[in-house]
Parts: sequence; C-alpha cells; structure tokens
Amino acid sequence: AQSVTQPDIHITVSEGASLELRCNYSYGATPYLFWYVQSPGQGLQLLLKYFSGDTLVQGIKGFEAEFKRSQSSFNLRKPSVHWSDAAEYFCAVGDEYGNKLVFGAGTILRVKS
Amino acid sequence: SQTIHQWPATLVQPVGSPLSLECTVEGTSNPNLYWYRQAAGRGLQLLFYSVGIGQISSEVPQNLSASRPQDRQFILSSKKLLLSDSGFYLCAWSPPPRLAATYEQYFGPGTRLTVT
Repeated sequence: AQSVTQPDIHITVSEGASLELRCNYSYGATPYLFWYVQSPGQGLQLLLKYFSGDTLVQGIKGFEAEFKRSQSSFNLRKPSVHWSDAAEYFCAVGDEYGNKLVFGAGTILRVKS
Repeated sequence: SQTIHQWPATLVQPVGSPLSLECTVEGTSNPNLYWYRQAAGRGLQLLFYSVGIGQISSEVPQNLSASRPQDRQFILSSKKLLLSDSGFYLCAWSPPPRLAATYEQYFGPGTRLTVT
C-alpha cells in the first residue's frame, strides 16, 4: 500500500526567503504525485502534479517540485516566499487504480515579516 | 469549467441528531466522488468514495454513511451524531480513471461541523 511522509509538521520562514517542503512516499511502481495547499477554513487547491516525463514540475503561484526516484521524494520548493503563502501544504500519492489519493499529514507554513 | 459545491458551509448539531451534508459537481460526467474529514490538527481521512451511481466504498468503519443518488450528487449522512464526528468535511471529485491520466482530485469549500 502507498504511504506518504511529510517529516515537518511546522516550518517558519522569513518573507522573501526560499522554501523547501519535504515529502517522501512509498510506492512500488511509478507514482502519481501531487501537492495541495489549504488556507484556513478552505478546501484544498492543487498546486502541481507529477505523473511522468520531466522530473522538475512547475505549478501555480511560483511553486515547483522535483521527483527523485532514488530518494522516493517529491519536495516542494519556492525561491521567494510571500506572506500569502502561509497555509498548510499536503503531499499525496495516487493508488494504482486511479481511484484514491493517499495524503501526508501536512506541513503548516508560517511566514514571518 | 467544472465546479463543486458543498452545503451547508457551517453546521452546529446536538449529539444524537441526524446529519445530511450535500455535495454536487457541475460541468463533468461520471466523476469519482469522495468524502474526507479533517479533525483539528490532523490530516485528511478518506471516509467514502464512489465510482458511480449507487456504488459506495467505505474506508473507515463509523456511524456515517454515504449515498450517490445521482451522477453528480454525493451525500454524507448520519442517523445519530457523536461528539467525535465534529470536524471539517471535504468533498472532492476526480475524472474517472478511464478518462484521466493523472487522477488529481478537486476539492469543494468544505463544511465545518460542530457537534455539541
């Protein structure tokens, strides 16, 4: 069965600093990988996805993520964080049947000015 | 374009009362539909998913149930609420696997349920 680990529960960065959120997955085949963002009291918004091809994927809001098969990782990055990026971020992996996503526990990002 | 609606947005119910949360999707056909719950300080817990009308898969045993009476309508119900049912309930949809390559899910705005 698939699983996703987000090792950092909370991360605090200064506005303008770079960001990297970690995600490790467990899956036997080529995974379908996703990053979502959730603002307080809101639904989840898809930031980006990986399913094949170029291992560096670009998403919305200036985010990117890199798939590294050798490390079973799919870390999310942003070169310069804005105060509006403060939210909770979830990494997810799709199951082999395409019917379900398995989510990590989430990382709460705080941005200090 | 596709949109997903959930209502109500917030709900306060006493213990032992019934529950009905509704989710509808517009602009697509034969979607997969999902109900998730987020308890305070926790991640997303998949409760139910449906690949078609009348087809419901339950992920976690509990006193909740789900139904899909129409292609784009998904309902979460309970006959008697427990305090532990409090949380943020999210509905999501995805294109059916036979039509999609990447299986991403799109989420509704959520319903905040407080059981008192």
